Amino acid sequence: EVQLVESGGGLVQPGRSLKLSCVASGFTFSNYGMNWIRQAPGKGLEWVAYISSGSSYIYYAETVKGRFTISRDNAKNTLYLQMTSLRSEDTALYYCARHRAGYNYWGQGVMVTVSS
Amino acid sequence: DTVLTQSPALAVSPGERVTISCRASESVSTGMHWYQQKPGQQPKLLIYGASNLESGVPARFSGSGSGTDFTLTIDPVEADDTATYFCQQSWNDPYTFGAGTKLELK
Repeated sequence: EVQLVESGGGLVQPGRSLKLSCVASGFTFSNYGMNWIRQAPGKGLEWVAYISSGSSYIYYAETVKGRFTISRDNAKNTLYLQMTSLRSEDTALYYCARHRAGYNYWGQGVMVTVSS
Repeated sequence: DTVLTQSPALAVSPGERVTISCRASESVSTGMHWYQQKPGQQPKLLIYGASNLESGVPARFSGSGSGTDFTLTIDPVEADDTATYFCQQSWNDPYTFGAGTKLELK
């Protein structure tokens, strides 16, 4: 069974940093590109970042470019999102999602709240 | 960015046929996908590549369209289909989502 489990969220002050993790199981993690997608409370979905299976290709949404860094450790089956210079508008539920035609597996999400 | 426009809400009775539309601001070929999200849950992929049924998804769900106009059809609708449905395109960078259509059962 494919599972994606996010962790690392919480309450953080504006301007501070936070690192999210997503542990994958039930499939060969190193064969798939992975994404972070977020959803602000009561709002729609916003793609945040993508990393290819071997980390050769990395893309970011303009709203986070220069502040967020996506990475992965295939030996640990883990995806990361390092978030710096956090803003109130980054407050959202952050999902990791496996990449295919469409995002065919999603984690349960981890909440990040940016507030003083 | 490619803007995807969806109707905000629909209300239908169980057993009826419902179509949920998604219009793209520019062509996305067949790079359109549909998700179902129930309250408190993560999105679930229903349709990929505009018309391909994801494994395990009931055949009551179907998708059609190409270019700029797409449709998700549920026939017949069941009570458990109460959810928000999102379209998402993967043809133009950055990949974008529609704002969602909330489906309510009468």
